[in-house]
Amino acid sequence: EIVMTQSPATLSVSPGETATLSCRASQSFTSNLAWYQQKPGQAPRLLIYGASTRATGIPARFSASGSGTEFTLTISSLQSEDFAVYFCQQYHHWPLTFGGGTKVEIK
Amino acid sequence: EVQLVESGGGLVVPGGSLRLSCAASGFTFSAYSMNWVRQAPGKGLEWVSSISTAGSYTYYSDSVKGRFSISRDNAKNSLSLQMNNLRAEDTAVYYCARDTSNYDILDAFNIWGQGTLVAVSS
Repeated sequence: EIVMTQSPATLSVSPGETATLSCRASQSFTSNLAWYQQKPGQAPRLLIYGASTRATGIPARFSASGSGTEFTLTISSLQSEDFAVYFCQQYHHWPLTFGGGTKVEIK
Repeated sequence: EVQLVESGGGLVVPGGSLRLSCAASGFTFSAYSMNWVRQAPGKGLEWVSSISTAGSYTYYSDSVKGRFSISRDNAKNSLSLQMNNLRAEDTAVYYCARDTSNYDILDAFNIWGQGTLVAVSS
């Protein structure tokens, strides 16, 4: 099983600033990585797939990169609606696995 | 509008059974692999099961293998999850989710339902 580890668990950021979230995989793979955003009481929303491709309708302030075992999600110029929990997920190999999440909170 | 709507959740005693359903609309259901993902209260996301377009291939997490069964009815645009021998640790919101593309079953999930709560308690 590929274990996905996200850091930090909580990130305190001021509106307008940049947030950088990390996701580390226990095994190397190229690009089968997704990022999701989840707000309280809502289903997750796909932000990024293929490690760096924005999903339909996702603003350009969300960007992502990485391959191998290290992946990064960057949220530039944080807006009020961006404060949420973010999960990474690998879909390279069964079982599919998610990271534990990073909560982005208002500083 | 592309939509997934889950139903069938509820309170069940340990050892009991429950069948979840997911009604799909707004897209060609038979063209996409489908999935179940769960989230225990206050916890992260956990993949549960996936099924290929025709239902020929199914995959399960170790935590549910042998107890849960995923199936689909493409004529009715419906996905199901039969859950048997339920345990307290199965308590969670269960989401059905659609693969992003119709190319490979190993894929990100771009369409999610609103979830249905399953509570296992005596």
